[in-house]
Amino acid sequence: GENVEQHPSTLSVQEGDSAVIKCTYSDSASNYFPWYKQELGKGPQLIIDIRSNVGEKKDQRIAVTLNKTAKHFSLHITETQPEDSAVYFCAASLGSARQLTFGSGTQLTVLP
Amino acid sequence: DTEVTQTPKHLVMGMTNKKSLKCEQHMGHRAMYWYKQKAKKPPELMFVYSYEKLSINESVPSRFSPECPNSSLLNLHLHALQPEDSALYLCASSQDNSPLWPQHFGDGTRLSIL
Repeated sequence: GENVEQHPSTLSVQEGDSAVIKCTYSDSASNYFPWYKQELGKGPQLIIDIRSNVGEKKDQRIAVTLNKTAKHFSLHITETQPEDSAVYFCAASLGSARQLTFGSGTQLTVLP
Repeated sequence: DTEVTQTPKHLVMGMTNKKSLKCEQHMGHRAMYWYKQKAKKPPELMFVYSYEKLSINESVPSRFSPECPNSSLLNLHLHALQPEDSALYLCASSQDNSPLWPQHFGDGTRLSIL
């Protein structure tokens, strides 16, 4: 089955700096890659997703890049703010499979 | 605010109790999911309903019993739970059960088993 590895497990950045979280996946047939943000006491919130026919997608301060050859995808957050502090999960799925496979999560702390 | 509503937000129950978790969505989604999430871990899939029929059961113990009364509602009936079942239980929904559709999560029910 699919395996998703996520790094780093914790990340601290200064407010205004950029943050990058990386995930690798094992099944080259995976074709959908969402990113979720989970704040304390809340459920995961979808913040951006990308499909395998696209190399990059951007939404304001958030961007995701996908390298299908290397089987990795990354979340980039620019101009970080304290409210970006949360746990971020990447995930991958196969169209033929019936579920998402999640990464282990990254605790992002943005220091004021 | 999330478009998937879960009740109750918190639940404390003894090992002999029977209780139910409820989930509701009004986005017209035809797939609904139950996940279990332990602290500092990613969500783990428990059940998937597609068009009100159970399509995936990830070998979940029978003390957890899902029910989908209609396309907007999903319940999880709990009976004779164990302390290790204490966790955050998340409901999610998506357009249909293809994993290519984004899943939208509720804020969960924090369950504690005494």
